[in-house]
Amino acid sequence: KQEVTQIPAALSVPEGENLVLNCSFTDSAIYNLQWFRQDPGKGLTSLLLIQSSQREQTSGRLNASLDKSSGRSTLYIAASQPGDSATYLCAVYTGTASKLTFGTGTRLQVTL
Amino acid sequence: DGGITQSPKYLFRKEGQNVTLSCEQNLNHDAMYWYRQDPGQGLRLIYYSQIVNDFQKGDIAEGYSVSREKKESFPLTVTSAQKNPTAFYLCASITSGRAGGELFFGEGSRLTVL
Repeated sequence: KQEVTQIPAALSVPEGENLVLNCSFTDSAIYNLQWFRQDPGKGLTSLLLIQSSQREQTSGRLNASLDKSSGRSTLYIAASQPGDSATYLCAVYTGTASKLTFGTGTRLQVTL
Repeated sequence: DGGITQSPKYLFRKEGQNVTLSCEQNLNHDAMYWYRQDPGQGLRLIYYSQIVNDFQKGDIAEGYSVSREKKESFPLTVTSAQKNPTAFYLCASITSGRAGGELFFGEGSRLTVL
């Protein structure tokens, strides 16, 4: 059974810092991995999608990497801003019964 | 604009009542999902549907029911058999149920049992 872990569960950084969020998964037979952002009381917003054949994806200040063999992905946020404060979740898609498995998220707070 | 619309945003239910949460998408996506989110827990899959008139149970389907009569719509009914229905419910859709496209979410519906 696929399990997805995100460490740390919470993170607080001062504005302007670069930071890395981690996502690990137990079954490397994935189709893709997706990073989401969730603001309190809101739905999830897709940030980046990495297909299994890709090593990384970039969007603005965000860069996500994927190492299937080791079962890891990282989300790098450059020059963090208070508006980046949210919970970040990763999810892996294995194709089995079209199911995605989510991590429990990392709650990020960027302070002034 | 294309997207997923969930309604109502907030819903209160008395014990013993069934309630139906609406989910409509205009993204022309094949597969749709219902997740439940509780504080401090990850998203848990309730039901999913890969095509019209077909749906499958997820990990926590007991006490819930769905239908998929149209590609655009995937309503979720929370029945009185669901013992702890108070939660945040999220609907999602994806371009392809097999190839693994990008998953999009609605804004969620918060259900509170009084």
